[in-house]
Amino acid sequence: EAQVTQNPRYLITVTGKKLTVTCSQNMNHEYMSWYRQDPGLGLRQIYYSMNVEVTDKGDVPEGYKVSRKEKRNFPLILESPSPNQTSLYFCASSFRGLGGTRYTQYFGPGTRLTVL
Amino acid sequence: QKEVEQDPGPLSVPEGAIVSLNCTYSNSAFQYFMWYRQYSRKGPELLMYTYSSGNKEDGRFTAQVDKSSKYISLFIRDSQPSDSATYLCAMSLSYNQGGKLIFGQGTELSVKP
Repeated sequence: EAQVTQNPRYLITVTGKKLTVTCSQNMNHEYMSWYRQDPGLGLRQIYYSMNVEVTDKGDVPEGYKVSRKEKRNFPLILESPSPNQTSLYFCASSFRGLGGTRYTQYFGPGTRLTVL
Repeated sequence: QKEVEQDPGPLSVPEGAIVSLNCTYSNSAFQYFMWYRQYSRKGPELLMYTYSSGNKEDGRFTAQVDKSSKYISLFIRDSQPSDSATYLCAMSLSYNQGGKLIFGQGTELSVKP
């Protein structure tokens, strides 16, 4: 089954304790992104990657790191989490096709993160 | 001012009603326009996408883009309780920005039986 998986699905942590949220896709997609979703603010892109070893900042990259060492994986790293990073996080991937197909993003199920 | 504005609702309609969901945007360079649907506790899924101005129909759903007014709409005909979800508009630029989308805040829709 074609899918994007994220782990963990739920995480409660404390300020300053480094954490990693994993993301993996099995569709051989070139593009992968991380978003956070907050009430009233919608989905905001944190980082995106257009291929292995190619990443770029989205709209809200502060406090986050990413890496793309393999095509299928795109982990999100919070080196020193703070309470304002409490949010619902989504990973997404898309195909580098022609026209609109590259904009068809497939989303994972989400990771709900709480930073105390 | 946000690049993409969307009325968050919530919007409640009776079953069978025609629903109109809208977004406005400020960046005239946007070329691709998408509508995603998000059910509670799930990730968004693509509903429709359109390129530039015009209409696109898919079953009960019609997406409309008016680039001169910087305004996009999604119409749902004969709405069903299963359409109850949050609808998010998204946009992207025309050049090599695959994967970089700007989303609206989302409109929460409830269709009552």
